[in-house]
Amino acid sequence: AQSVTQLGSHVSVSEGALVLLRCNYSSSVPPYLFWYVQYPNQGLQLLLKYTSAATLVKGINGFEAEFKKSETSFHLTKPSAHMSDAAEYFCAVSSPTRDDKIIFGKGTRLHILP
Amino acid sequence: KAGVTQTPRYLIKTRGQQVTLSCSPISGHRSVSWYQQTPGQGLQFLFEYFSETQRNKGNFPGRFSGRQFSNSRSEMNVSTLELGDSALYLCASSFWGTVAPHFYEQYFGPGTRLTVT
Repeated sequence: AQSVTQLGSHVSVSEGALVLLRCNYSSSVPPYLFWYVQYPNQGLQLLLKYTSAATLVKGINGFEAEFKKSETSFHLTKPSAHMSDAAEYFCAVSSPTRDDKIIFGKGTRLHILP
Repeated sequence: KAGVTQTPRYLIKTRGQQVTLSCSPISGHRSVSWYQQTPGQGLQFLFEYFSETQRNKGNFPGRFSGRQFSNSRSEMNVSTLELGDSALYLCASSFWGTVAPHFYEQYFGPGTRLTVT
């Protein structure tokens, strides 16, 4: 069985500061991992995905995430926060066979302080 | 290129009724998946279709069903609506490349907001 835990339902950072959103997963097989963003009253947008290639994955809007097997983590980072980054972020896990359903974390709402 | 479209955008139904939601994927995408989003349960996977076949299904009762047509458009149906079915229903279309490093893209529609009274 797979699961994903996002630490912190709300995270606040100052504009220009480092963004770090934490995600830990549990999987009995090497996983696929995803980060999604949801802006207010909009659908989801895929930020980036890990599919067993490079462990450091670069996504859109300056975000990146690093797969750390030893820590079962896939934290999302961005060097400098912008006001436009305020949104809810979801981490998700699925299996490489693509036969398994995708499991989402509870989400982390990112607040950007001026 | 045109994005994923979902119709209708908003829907109000009464308990016991049934509802059909529609999703038109991005041209060239043969995979369509559906998700339910509620404040209490968060985001949950409903099912995925690929080339008119259901490839995977989440943990939802049989009242939730779907299908995909030959043009990749998909519909999901919920019968005998319950208050707890009130949610934002999201559809996504995706494309997996078959050649390494396995190009992948996925786009979501804006969702259908279903309210059951």
